Amino acid sequence: DVKVTQSSRYLVKRTGEKVFLECVQDMDHENMFWYRQDPGLGLRLIYFSYDVKMKEKGDIPEGYSVSREKKERFSLILESASTNQTSMYLCASTSTGTANTEAFFGQGTRLTVV
Amino acid sequence: AQSVTQLGSHVSVSEGALVLLRCNYSSSVPPYLFWYVQYPNQGLQLLLKYTSAATLVKGINDFEAEFKKSETSFHLTKPSAHMSDAAEYFCAVRNFNKFYFGSGTKLNVKP
Repeated sequence: DVKVTQSSRYLVKRTGEKVFLECVQDMDHENMFWYRQDPGLGLRLIYFSYDVKMKEKGDIPEGYSVSREKKERFSLILESASTNQTSMYLCASTSTGTANTEAFFGQGTRLTVV
Repeated sequence: AQSVTQLGSHVSVSEGALVLLRCNYSSSVPPYLFWYVQYPNQGLQLLLKYTSAATLVKGINDFEAEFKKSETSFHLTKPSAHMSDAAEYFCAVRNFNKFYFGSGTKLNVKP
């Protein structure tokens, strides 16, 4: 069974902390994504990676950075957490080869910044 | 530019009634369209996808969607709602390697 695994389901962090959210996929996908989900706003793309060490900003990259040192792992970093980054974070991956291939999602990380 | 519009952030139906969730897209290229379902505190699961092989697409749990190019729509339907269908539903379009999601529709099923 294909899998995208996020390292934590729930996290509570303090304002100003550096926060790491980890995501691992076992499908050898080239493309990986980090989304943020807030009520009424749907899924908003934070960052996208199309290859190892390659990244592209999404719609809301401010306050975030990413790292992709290995093909299977894509990390989201909150440099200095703020309360307005309290949200649900979703990681996803997909292959490049077939245009109608869906995105596969992890179970989500609900982050609370206090 | 790609975009997806879901009409109605909340839809409420009675158990056994027809479910209709609306999705309209804009795309400058032939679209690759998807419907996902999200249960509380979970990730998104694929319900179905349009692959251009047929305009009527069948998915899991008796959901189906019809692609109508003239209306740029891909509405999701289910003939008879079940309590377990209560969830949030997202329509998405893929353009190259990126996905664009609608804002979601929460489905409430009343007993």
